[in-house]
Amino acid sequence: NAGVTQTPKFRVLKTGQSMTLLCAQDMNHEYMYWYRQDPGMGLRLIHYSVGEGTTAKGEVPDGYNVSRLKKQNFLLGLESAAPSQTSVYFCASNTILVGNNEQFFGPGTRLTVL
Amino acid sequence: AQSVSQHNHHVILSEAASLELGCNYSYGGTVNLFWYVQYPGQHLQLLLKYFSGDPLVKGIKGFEAEFIKSKFSFNLRKPSVQWSDTAEYFCAVKQYSNDYKLSFGAGTTVTVRA
Repeated sequence: NAGVTQTPKFRVLKTGQSMTLLCAQDMNHEYMYWYRQDPGMGLRLIHYSVGEGTTAKGEVPDGYNVSRLKKQNFLLGLESAAPSQTSVYFCASNTILVGNNEQFFGPGTRLTVL
Repeated sequence: AQSVSQHNHHVILSEAASLELGCNYSYGGTVNLFWYVQYPGQHLQLLLKYFSGDPLVKGIKGFEAEFIKSKFSFNLRKPSVQWSDTAEYFCAVKQYSNDYKLSFGAGTTVTVRA
């Protein structure tokens, strides 16, 4: 099992450009999440999904959109990138089995917006 | 809203010293508690978790944590650190009634000097 994978690993954008980050998991997990990690702020939840075809806003959703067309994939889109979106983005997933809701994380995507 | 506080931003230790990292949360109901570790350049990995039962939880790599409900705390400890414990440590809390979203602390960077 590859677990949770993310592409790309690194990306540099200019202000106003768009891009999509892809997260894939092969554990048949129901729940998937996108976080951003900034120094001194821990991880903050951007959007999450409780199943295929459903998404919901987290703490910091502005400027991002998501889609979950397939259970194993969760896409994060930036329509018009801003320097404030420079961050490290982590995807995570978990199963809904009772007593086993540990979140598994991907390796991260380091995004710089100039 | 749930908040998670980690007391120390950066801790510097020598090898063989003991480590204790504080974590407090604000939610008064039933919670699940986690400590994650992020080694330099890597993704988050689960160190240990508390769901119920014995409030003293043992995790991987010699780490343990104690849940003290009356103090809303879940402090992480290791009796004797190694250079390889240099990492960032995150406390995370899930409210039992709040589906599966985690609230993360800001993180504590631990530097172990050889």
